[in-house]
Amino acid sequence: DTGVSQNPRHKITKRGQNVTFRCDPISEHNRLYWYRQTLGQGPEFLTYFQNEAQLEKSRLLSDRFSAERPKGSFSTLEIQRTEQGDSAMYLCASSFSGSNTEAFFGQGTRLTVV
Amino acid sequence: QQQVKQSPQSLIVQKGGIPIINCAYENTAFDYFPWYQQFPGKGPALLIAIRPDVSEKKEGRFTISFNKSAKQFSLHIMDSQPGDSATYFCAALANAGGTSYGKLTFGQGTILTVHP
Repeated sequence: DTGVSQNPRHKITKRGQNVTFRCDPISEHNRLYWYRQTLGQGPEFLTYFQNEAQLEKSRLLSDRFSAERPKGSFSTLEIQRTEQGDSAMYLCASSFSGSNTEAFFGQGTRLTVV
Repeated sequence: QQQVKQSPQSLIVQKGGIPIINCAYENTAFDYFPWYQQFPGKGPALLIAIRPDVSEKKEGRFTISFNKSAKQFSLHIMDSQPGDSATYFCAALANAGGTSYGKLTFGQGTILTVHP
């Protein structure tokens, strides 16, 4: 499977715990994005990487959130001290730079904070 | 601030019907308008996209109509099938032709149900 891969698919955690999600983009893609999708809403942009550089962070990304993309390959999104409001689907997408604007999404990680 | 407004929230049609989903935007810097289809438990998948230099684009049974002056665009699904039942999202991207990256602004989504 050469698509965008996200792990885990589901995560249930207690409030206050830290969680980390992983995204493996399509291998040739140098752009990587994280989005958050709550029930009944469209995805909302969280952050963007070009290669290993994090070039933009949304105001939605509080200080408890951190994302990395070491070596410009896979990316991780960590949420510290989770809150119930963090419950959502976290989607990763990747694309080529340049004129091709199509972003390919992974299947997402469903986070439930109890 | 909701920059892309989508309607209706849900839509039910019979097989063979032509569901129409509408979107409106405010930011005149948007210049690429994709539609995504999402099935339960899956990520969004690109369905069709349009740039504002054309008023209509067709790909198979899917058609986008675009009205630049009204800042509105819509998705039409011809001869709809039960397999088309999914959530549909419109989206918009600014400065797609330049050096901007692919940061998408999504509408709220439309849940489409096609009855057999």
